[in-house]
Amino acid sequence: GQQLNQSPQSMFIQEGEDVSMNCTSSSIFNTWLWYKQEPGEGPVLLIALYKAGELTSNGRLTAQFGITRKDSFLNISASIPSDVGIYFCAGRGYGGSQGNLIFGKGTKLSVKP
Amino acid sequence: EAGVAQSPRYKIIEKRQSVAFWCNPISGHATLYWYQQILGQGPKLLIQFQNNGVVDDSQLPKDRFSAERLKGVDSTLKIQPAKLEDSAVYLCASSLVWDEQFFGPGTRLTVL
Repeated sequence: GQQLNQSPQSMFIQEGEDVSMNCTSSSIFNTWLWYKQEPGEGPVLLIALYKAGELTSNGRLTAQFGITRKDSFLNISASIPSDVGIYFCAGRGYGGSQGNLIFGKGTKLSVKP
Repeated sequence: EAGVAQSPRYKIIEKRQSVAFWCNPISGHATLYWYQQILGQGPKLLIQFQNNGVVDDSQLPKDRFSAERLKGVDSTLKIQPAKLEDSAVYLCASSLVWDEQFFGPGTRLTVL
């Protein structure tokens, strides 16, 4: 089945630093989404991408839909302590039923004040 | 706007027992999803409803898992009988627009 490889698995950064993480697929995806999950809570949608090459921002977060349709990137600028959590990429490939998202294993972000 | 509600938040059972989870989606969201999230993994879709009909249940272990959404609003997910490997967080999500899913807080199930 379709799989997503998300990297890095974890990151330990200093407050104020920029963060980059990415996700790659074994097949072409037509939708990419980025979620953040905090302990004891469900994932929260951060950014949704629907077109190859699309670059979308949400505050200090910027995500891009790769032009190959097999990858996506999330950048966080000037990190702050509340950015701590697990970031998941999710996507849907062609042929998948509407809404049938596949999730990566997550990038755990730790921010040191 | 109220979010997706789930109950209970935590459940501990013995293997071979039965358990049920409840979900109330965001008002007006026709599509409802149940996911299983094992520790250290991303969520995995179990079943998707559109109103009260099943759209996709290809990854639902139907020998022990069942789900229903009788009136197109609330939904229940049942496991009978539970196995040790069913220990996970069970997430419910709903959506108005395809793919932009809103998740509830989840139910953490521990099977002993």
